[in-house]
Amino acid sequence: GENVEQHPSTLSVQEGDSAVIKCTYSDSASNYFPWYKQELGKRPQLIIDIRSNVGEKKDQRIAVTLNKTAKHFSLHITETQPEDSAVYFCAATFYGGSQGNLIFGKGTKLSVKP
Amino acid sequence: GAGVSQSPSNKVTEKGKDVELRCDPISGHTALYWYRQSLGQGLEFLIYFQGNSAPDKSGLPSDRFSAERTGGSVSTLTIQRTQQEDSAVYLCASSLVGDGYEQYFGPGTRLTVT
Repeated sequence: GENVEQHPSTLSVQEGDSAVIKCTYSDSASNYFPWYKQELGKRPQLIIDIRSNVGEKKDQRIAVTLNKTAKHFSLHITETQPEDSAVYFCAATFYGGSQGNLIFGKGTKLSVKP
Repeated sequence: GAGVSQSPSNKVTEKGKDVELRCDPISGHTALYWYRQSLGQGLEFLIYFQGNSAPDKSGLPSDRFSAERTGGSVSTLTIQRTQQEDSAVYLCASSLVGDGYEQYFGPGTRLTVT
């Protein structure tokens, strides 16, 4: 089955700096890679996702890159702000006909210092 | 519209008792997922429903765990003879097959087994 590794487990940056979180997956059949943000005591919320037919996707200060050959994908946050502080989870799954369960990484706790 | 809701929000139970956790998905969402999040850990997949059927029960940790979904809507997750290691936040998510892949999460039920 699929296995997702996520690094680093904690990340501290100064406001305005960039933050990068990296994930690797094991199942080459996986074709959908979402990123979720979870603030303390809140539910996970999707912030960006990428499908395997795309190498990069951007949404304002957030971008995700995917390298299918190496089986890794990364989240990039530019111009970080204190409100970006949260736990970020990457995930992977195969969607084919019916939707599949997400396999999550263990999360990265991002702290943005003002 | 209304998002995914779960009840109760918190549940404290004694070891050995049975508990039922409820999930109300977004109206019209045919796919429903249960995940478990232990303290400081990622999200662990438990079970997936497509309509009322559960094509993937691979994540259920033991035969003390069961789930059902009726009318293609509400789902209940039952844990029999609870153990302390069952203490976690149980999250439910739903998605609309064929219209994007996003899974929308509920607020979770925090289960504490004493």
